[in-house]
Amino acid sequence: DVKVTQSSRYLVKRTGEKVFLECVQDMDHENMFWYRQDPGLGLRLIYFSYDVKMKEKGDIPEGYSVSREKKERFSLILESASTNQTSMYLCASSLGGADGEQFFGPGTRLTVL
Amino acid sequence: QKEVEQNSGPLSVPEGAIASLNCTYSDRVSQSFFWYRQYSGKSPELIMSIYSNGDKEDGRFTAQLNKASQYVSLLIRDSQPSDSATYLCAVSSGYSTLTFGKGTMLLVSP
Repeated sequence: DVKVTQSSRYLVKRTGEKVFLECVQDMDHENMFWYRQDPGLGLRLIYFSYDVKMKEKGDIPEGYSVSREKKERFSLILESASTNQTSMYLCASSLGGADGEQFFGPGTRLTVL
Repeated sequence: QKEVEQNSGPLSVPEGAIASLNCTYSDRVSQSFFWYRQYSGKSPELIMSIYSNGDKEDGRFTAQLNKASQYVSLLIRDSQPSDSATYLCAVSSGYSTLTFGKGTMLLVSP
């Protein structure tokens, strides 16, 4: 079974703090993704990566950056957290290729005060 | 802008009935289609994948795809209260990405 883990289930940060969200997958997947999910807005893609050190912007990259130094690990960074970044953050991975199934981690509920 | 549309619901069905969830998509070149189940406060869980026109059955679940009509559906037979969740339709968008619908909430009453 694919296992995608995220570093925290719940996180509370203050406005202006730098926030790191970590995601690790154990199935040697090529692709990794970061989404945020908000009521009424659904799942929105922030960034994705199809290889180590490669990254692509998704639909809402503003205010975020990512890092993929190792194949199994994909980090989402909020350089200066703001209250409008309070959300559920979901990491996913897929095997590779254009049309692969994505498998999600448990999510991190981030609250920015 | 690639779009995936779902009725937000809630769709209410009695226990034992068939639940029918529908999804339409805008991108004609999409090749892969997925259904995810998401319980409240949890992350999406993949339950069905379908790649070609027609029906695909897995236990109580049947996915149906009609590419000409740009329509994909999920049927849940013998619905159980434990099926109560939000069901997300996802469509391949190229470059390994998926476009998700906002989901349909299903409520199965005992």
